[in-house]
Amino acid sequence: AQSVTQLGSHVSVSEGALVLLRCNYSSSVPPYLFWYVQYPNQGLQLLLKYTTGATLVKGINGFEAEFKKSETSFHLTKPSAHMSDAAEYFCAVSDQGGSARQLTFGSGTQLTVLP
Amino acid sequence: EAGVAQSPRYKIIEKRQSVAFWCNPISGHATLYWYQQILGQGPKLLIQFQNNGVVDDSQLPKDRFSAERLKGVDSTLKIQPAKLEDSAVYLCASAQGRNTIYFGEGSWLTVV
Repeated sequence: AQSVTQLGSHVSVSEGALVLLRCNYSSSVPPYLFWYVQYPNQGLQLLLKYTTGATLVKGINGFEAEFKKSETSFHLTKPSAHMSDAAEYFCAVSDQGGSARQLTFGSGTQLTVLP
Repeated sequence: EAGVAQSPRYKIIEKRQSVAFWCNPISGHATLYWYQQILGQGPKLLIQFQNNGVVDDSQLPKDRFSAERLKGVDSTLKIQPAKLEDSAVYLCASAQGRNTIYFGEGSWLTVV
């Protein structure tokens, strides 16, 4: 069984400050890891994903995340927050097997960007 | 390329009534998912289809929820009878093979 824990259901940062959203996973097999963003009244949009290879992955809108196997973590960062980054962010995990993915999501982190 | 289409976007019903949500996946996507997202929680998988066959419905409350994907394209999720705790966003998603999963904008259900 796989699971995801997102530390901090609400995070507030000032515009221009570093964004750090934490995600830890549990998986009995090598995981694939994802970050999705959800803007109000919208569906989920993929920000970035880790499958294999380079552990530092870059996504859209200046976000990046680093897969750390020893820490079972996949934290999301952005050097400088923008007002448009205010949204809810979900970390998700899937296994590497099978013909189609199945995502298990964390409970989400609501990011507020203060002017 | 058109995205995942869902309707209706918003629905308010009384408890014990029934409701149905429709989803049209991205063209060519064989895999279709229905997720339930309760306020303040992450999405939870209800059912996964591969073409018109069910791959996983282990978390679908089968006493009140049903889903079908006739002809392997569109899908319908039905709730009957609805309970207050069914108030949630119902997200449809689709994928081709092990590629990126794309989500629709969701159908918001309020049960009063």
